[in-house]
Amino acid sequence: GENVEQHPSTLSVQEGDSAVIKCTYSDSASNYFPWYKQELGKGPQLIIDIRSNVGEKKDQRIAVTLNKTAKHFSLHITETQPEDSAVYFCAAYPPDDMRFGAGTRLTVKP
Amino acid sequence: DAGVTQSPTHLIKTRGQQVTLRCSPKSGHDTVSWYQQALGQGPQFIFQYYEEEERQRGNFPDRFSGHQFPNYSSELNVNALLLGDSALYLCASSLAGGVNQPQHFGDGTRLSIL
Repeated sequence: GENVEQHPSTLSVQEGDSAVIKCTYSDSASNYFPWYKQELGKGPQLIIDIRSNVGEKKDQRIAVTLNKTAKHFSLHITETQPEDSAVYFCAAYPPDDMRFGAGTRLTVKP
Repeated sequence: DAGVTQSPTHLIKTRGQQVTLRCSPKSGHDTVSWYQQALGQGPQFIFQYYEEEERQRGNFPDRFSGHQFPNYSSELNVNALLLGDSALYLCASSLAGGVNQPQHFGDGTRLSIL
């Protein structure tokens, strides 16, 4: 089955800096890669996703890149704000399964 | 536009008991997936329901079962509860088309086993 590894487990940045979270996956059949933001006491919220036929996708301050050859994908957050502080999860969806990374706790210091 | 709603928000049970958790999908969605999220970990896929049938299942024992109703709402049942079943149980809804569709999560049911 699919195995998703996520790094780093914790990340602390200064407000206005950029944050990068990286994930690797094992199943070459994986074709959908969403990123979720989870705040305390809430369920995961989809913030951006990418499919295997695309290499990069942007939405305002958030971007995701995908390298199918290396089987890794990354989340990039620019101009970070204190409200970006949360736990971020990557996920990889092969056709018959879905696996999440263990999460990255992002702290943005004002 | 109502999002995914789950009930109850918190639940305390003892070992050996049975529990039923409920989920109403986002308006317009017809597929419901259930996840277990242990403290400090990512969600783990339990199963997915579409057209009132279990379409896919993760690596969970038969003690975990579910149901989907004609109005697309769903229940998760867990029998013979173990201490290790303590977790946040998340429901996610999506449109039909397979597991690789954008999923919208509810805020979960926190289950504690004593």
